[in-house]
Amino acid sequence: DIAMSQSPDSLSVSLGERATITCKSRLSTNIGNYLAWYQQKPGQPPKLLIYWASTRESGVPERFSASGSGTEFTFTISSLQPEDVAVYYCQQYYGVPITFGPGTKVDIK
Amino acid sequence: QVQLQESGPGLVKPSQTLSLTCTVSGDSINNGNYYYNWIRQPAGKALEWIGRIYTTGTTRYNPSLQSRVTISPDKSKNQFSLALSFVTAADTAIYYCARDISTGTYAFDAWGPGTKVTVSS
Repeated sequence: DIAMSQSPDSLSVSLGERATITCKSRLSTNIGNYLAWYQQKPGQPPKLLIYWASTRESGVPERFSASGSGTEFTFTISSLQPEDVAVYYCQQYYGVPITFGPGTKVDIK
Repeated sequence: QVQLQESGPGLVKPSQTLSLTCTVSGDSINNGNYYYNWIRQPAGKALEWIGRIYTTGTTRYNPSLQSRVTISPDKSKNQFSLALSFVTAADTAIYYCARDISTGTYAFDAWGPGTKVTVSS
């Protein structure tokens, strides 16, 4: 399995400030750009935000962006809004089984 | 726009088989180009991919569950199902069905709302 790690586990950011999450493939497995990012709010299924490491899903606000390739990836919310409070997951789809990171909880400072 | 909806028993006894159905609307599962997936999430924990089925009936499973999992289609009803045998408390989770963006892009852009399954006697 290609295990994924995320850091930090949780993040408190002031409204309007930047939030940054890192996702890495464990054991430095090169997954190319086969990476997606999701937002999950309580009681809801995950929502796809980013795929192919940096392609924003249709309708996703521009304040959400992502970059990276190979083994290390970054997800950024450029200006945190109240509705962005959620858990964010990365997911690799380079290999089977498809695997998700453990999640990063983002809330407002 | 495609919509997915999970259904099935909310309570399953240990050692029995968990059976769930995902009903797809807004598109036909007979159309090509998509994998349909099952994913689960224990309370407060991360997501775990269970497996997927293609329109041809080809399946792929998480090796950690492969000996207990079957995903099958019901094309006449535009549904696909999950069967997980010999369940234990560790299988208690919210179960989601989801569809890939497209063949080769195995990120999930359509999800059902999820159904909670508890394994308990």
